[in-house]
Amino acid sequence: GQQLNQSPQSMFIQEGEDVSMNCTSSSIFNTWLWYKQDPGEGPVLLIALYKAGELTSNGRLTAQFGITRKDSFLNISASIPSDVGIYFCAGQTQGGNTGKLIFGQGTTLQVKP
Amino acid sequence: NAGVMQNPRHLVRRRGQEARLRCSPMKGHSHVYWYRQLPEEGLKFMVYLQKENIIDESGMPKERFSAEFPKEGPSILRIQQVVRGDSAAYFCASSQMPQRYEQYFGPGTRLTVT
Repeated sequence: GQQLNQSPQSMFIQEGEDVSMNCTSSSIFNTWLWYKQDPGEGPVLLIALYKAGELTSNGRLTAQFGITRKDSFLNISASIPSDVGIYFCAGQTQGGNTGKLIFGQGTTLQVKP
Repeated sequence: NAGVMQNPRHLVRRRGQEARLRCSPMKGHSHVYWYRQLPEEGLKFMVYLQKENIIDESGMPKERFSAEFPKEGPSILRIQQVVRGDSAAYFCASSQMPQRYEQYFGPGTRLTVT
């Protein structure tokens, strides 16, 4: 089945540092979404991308939809302790009418004050 | 807060019992999705429903699992004769439209089978 490869699997950084994570796929996606999940909670939508090459920001977060439509990255600038959590990329493929999301394996972020 | 509601938040069942998980979508959303998350893993799609219709159930196990989204009331994910391997977090999401629209997730139901 379709898979998203998300990297890195985990990161341990100092407060104030910038963070970058990415997702790649062997298939073309027409939508990329980035979510953050805290322990015991559901994923919270951070950024949605709909167009190849699109660059979108949400506060200290910036995400881009790759030109090939097979990848996306998420950057977090000037990290703070509350950025701790698991970040997931998710994509929707072309065609069909299901709207189902395919998720990456997640990037666990730990921030040291 | 008119977010996606799920209940119960935690559910414990003995092997062989039935589990019923409920999901109320966000106000104005008519598309509901169920996902399952095993520990240390990403979410896996199970089923997509609109009111009174199952649109895509390609991620649902063939046996023991069923889902519905009736004209009135919440969407229900039903697991019959639960086994230990069914222990997981089950998340519901909703959207206004199926494609090119954001999906918003509920807090999940943590199912533990003893």
